[in-house]
Amino acid sequence: SAVISQKPSRDICQRGTSLTIQCQVDSQVTMMFWYRQQPGQSLTLIATANQGSEATYESGFVIDKFPISRPNLTFSTLTVSNMSPEDSSIYLCSVHRGNYGYTFGSGTRLTVV
Amino acid sequence: RKEVEQDPGPFNVPEGATVAFNCTYSNSASQSFFWYRQDCRKEPKLLMSVYSSGNEDGRFTAQLNRASQYISLLIRDSKLSDSATYLCVVPSNQAGTALIFGKGTTLSVSS
Repeated sequence: SAVISQKPSRDICQRGTSLTIQCQVDSQVTMMFWYRQQPGQSLTLIATANQGSEATYESGFVIDKFPISRPNLTFSTLTVSNMSPEDSSIYLCSVHRGNYGYTFGSGTRLTVV
Repeated sequence: RKEVEQDPGPFNVPEGATVAFNCTYSNSASQSFFWYRQDCRKEPKLLMSVYSSGNEDGRFTAQLNRASQYISLLIRDSKLSDSATYLCVVPSNQAGTALIFGKGTTLSVSS
């Protein structure tokens, strides 16, 4: 299955600042997905990132708050902008690799203080 | 009906027990289903995929009932290492390009 390198693994940030999370995949993939997992909850899809086009955001998520870049087929970033304590969560990137299903990065544990 | 709904748990069972988790889904057009395992403070990892009536892999059996829109996961001869949260996952669209996760069922196996 695909190997995904996600960083940072964790961060503690001041409210009002922004954090950019990076995901690097060891092979080319068409789509990359960004999820959020709030404390005690399951995963919620934030957006789908295709190379060369704007990301597609799910209901409740907007580009101004979660801008995404997808400069090539192996890399994507998610920025959490103007953070508030409610953004404290685990953020995960994911790719789909055929019969291997969906593989996830190790996650970024964000705490906003 | 919620898109993906699971037994709330937690399930606390002794080693060697057989335990079953249930999951219902709302999208009758869904063609594939997944069970993921998530250990504490780790990312989810694929446990089983279900494309037809069911799938079996060692101690784990997944069954699908399309008429009732119901998926189950059966774990036989539970091990301590099976302790984790089990997530029922259904693609959100026909292309299967993104996933909807259930809230998960927590299993704790004790000696």
